Amino acid sequence: EAEVAQSPRYKITEKSQAVAFWCDPISGHATLYWYRQILGQGPELLVQFQDESVVDDSQLPKDRFSAERLKGVDSTLKIQPAELGDSAMYLCASTPTGQATYNEQFFGPGTRLTVL
Amino acid sequence: SQQGEEDPQALSIQEGENATMNCSYKTSINNLQWYRQNSGRGLVHLILIRSNEREKHSGRLRVTLDTSKKSSSLLITASRAADTASYFCATDGNSNSGYALNFGKGTSLLVTP
Repeated sequence: EAEVAQSPRYKITEKSQAVAFWCDPISGHATLYWYRQILGQGPELLVQFQDESVVDDSQLPKDRFSAERLKGVDSTLKIQPAELGDSAMYLCASTPTGQATYNEQFFGPGTRLTVL
Repeated sequence: SQQGEEDPQALSIQEGENATMNCSYKTSINNLQWYRQNSGRGLVHLILIRSNEREKHSGRLRVTLDTSKKSSSLLITASRAADTASYFCATDGNSNSGYALNFGKGTSLLVTP
């Protein structure tokens, strides 16, 4: 069964360092999401891509976060510099079409980031 | 921002019992979805109910939706230890947001043998 792949699974870094997360959605899924999930909370959207274009990045802290999906397939989320408050699980999800409201989202296993 | 609010925050039951968790939301929706998350893992889609539906079943799951009260409930019947997880409701956003989902804070379910 096709799955969303994410790496690394765990990342420990010191504040002010740069970190990067990678996501490979299910083949053929046009829409890709990055979520941040703080412990004890639900996921919150950071950025949504439709193919290679950003649909919504209104919640992305653009002073330190960046995301790209250059060829409309896999995606990278970067944080530079990392801050203590960035410690969280970073989840990637994909759907076949742009309208997630009519489709389930398929989630990857996540990257657990700890900033020391 | 998180639109959904699950209730209770935590629920502990024994195997064989039924588990009911509720979700309330604030704005009108097209659909509502429920997801499960095992500890430290990604989310798994359970069920989607459309705004014109009132009840939906999938195996041991039963979901209801009351759009007049802006609320939904998830019932897990004959629970098993493997049902131990966090459960989230998710509502659709608006067209400007590309219909991304808004998740609640979740209900943590513990099923003991």
